[in-house]
Amino acid sequence: GAGVSQSPSNKVTEKGKDVELRCDPISGHTALYWYRQSLGQGLEFLIYFQGNSAPDKSGLPSDRFSAERTGGSVSTLTIQRTQQEDSAVYLCASSSSGQASSYNSPLHFGNGTRLTVT
Amino acid sequence: QKEVEQNSGPLSVPEGAIASLNCTYSDRGSQSFFWYRQYSGKSPELIMFIYSNGDKEDGRFTAQLNKASQYVSLLIRDSQPSDSATYLCAVNFYGSNYQLIWGAGTKLIIKP
Repeated sequence: GAGVSQSPSNKVTEKGKDVELRCDPISGHTALYWYRQSLGQGLEFLIYFQGNSAPDKSGLPSDRFSAERTGGSVSTLTIQRTQQEDSAVYLCASSSSGQASSYNSPLHFGNGTRLTVT
Repeated sequence: QKEVEQNSGPLSVPEGAIASLNCTYSDRGSQSFFWYRQYSGKSPELIMFIYSNGDKEDGRFTAQLNKASQYVSLLIRDSQPSDSATYLCAVNFYGSNYQLIWGAGTKLIIKP
């Protein structure tokens, strides 16, 4: 079956523009994560969706960042008024239950969106 | 501040030798430990997990956990050039069943 799909794979934008990143998780996976990966840094947690529960937005770095998950499936991460420090790879992951501490529910990652803000 | 530390490398190992990757963590309450492999330009994929103190073997891979010293390691026996990648250590966040804390990764290079 299909894995986690992210689009676009690359995005170059000018400082101050808004961007929208898309994630299509594995069908049936209830949990969806967004992470940011900068060069030489660990994965930075951004936001977590689980079913119909309120998302955990505690990792969003500023109010310029927002995310939605429609119908419990596709998710979009929106960055408004982009800044150069937003340049990074944005990774989406899904899992069958969201129990990240359980080996029964490992994270399946997409190939990421490489965002470059000029 | 909950942290996971890894040596960024690169760690260069001759083909056929044992590669040893280490990870330390600060949250004493952590219970689950994962190793993900990430090829350049690709997404991370899970290769090993461990919950209990001691060793866990899976093919050429062995994960070792020492909770008293708060470290977890990954050994790769008979290293192959295809093992060249960045290895990410991830540790669950005590009190959360869905958050993982990630190390920055160790870049491993296997030289033919």
